[in-house]
Amino acid sequence: QSALTQPPSASGSPGQSVTISCTGTSSDVGGYKYVSWYQHHPGKAPKLMIYEVTERPSGVPDRFSGSKSGNTASLIVSGLQPEDEADYYCSSHAGSSHAGNYVVFGGGTKLTVL
Amino acid sequence: QLHLQESGPGLLKPSETLSLTCTVSGGSISSSSHHWAWIRQPPGKGLEWIASIYYSGNTYYKPSLKSRVTISVDTSKNQFSLKLNSVTAADTAVYYCAREKQSAATDWGQGTLVTVSS
Repeated sequence: QSALTQPPSASGSPGQSVTISCTGTSSDVGGYKYVSWYQHHPGKAPKLMIYEVTERPSGVPDRFSGSKSGNTASLIVSGLQPEDEADYYCSSHAGSSHAGNYVVFGGGTKLTVL
Repeated sequence: QLHLQESGPGLLKPSETLSLTCTVSGGSISSSSHHWAWIRQPPGKGLEWIASIYYSGNTYYKPSLKSRVTISVDTSKNQFSLKLNSVTAADTAVYYCAREKQSAATDWGQGTLVTVSS
């Protein structure tokens, strides 16, 4: 039940693209299609940006996209805008015969728009 | 528009029990499509999922917290609650309640800060 692994920081200039990775195991990211990504501005509630690996909730710009390969999921932000500067967290459904079903988060990535 | 609001004491002493309630408005907690979850964020740290519950009472817990946590639901009040026993300073955090669908937290409360200090 270790946290998913994310890089502590990422950055890009306005208009550029940036990819944030989220690495887990076959018991979480690799084993389920239920990977989500959240945007978190300090002092506010987190906002769901991607669910079920690739799906975008209504209202989320199509500049945000998700993918998964094996035990690693990725959030891609294209056409960076200043308002994209925030902390980003991945999460995944997880489960095992002894631990049951639960959700695990990544450690978070601080995205800086240069 | 769904609204979730956390409530409960903001200051606890070590070894006490944390009790929080989330009141749901603008939607039914008895939805067959959703679970209801508690998530926290210690100061300067990342998000941590704690537990979730289905309206029928099925519960799911983070394994490392399971021995100290109880989540419950009151469908008559459209509320769900969290109890965390034997708190320490490490339990100081902003606690969020959230609605989940397929393990994704789609809607969040504003969060409430709980501080554990002697």
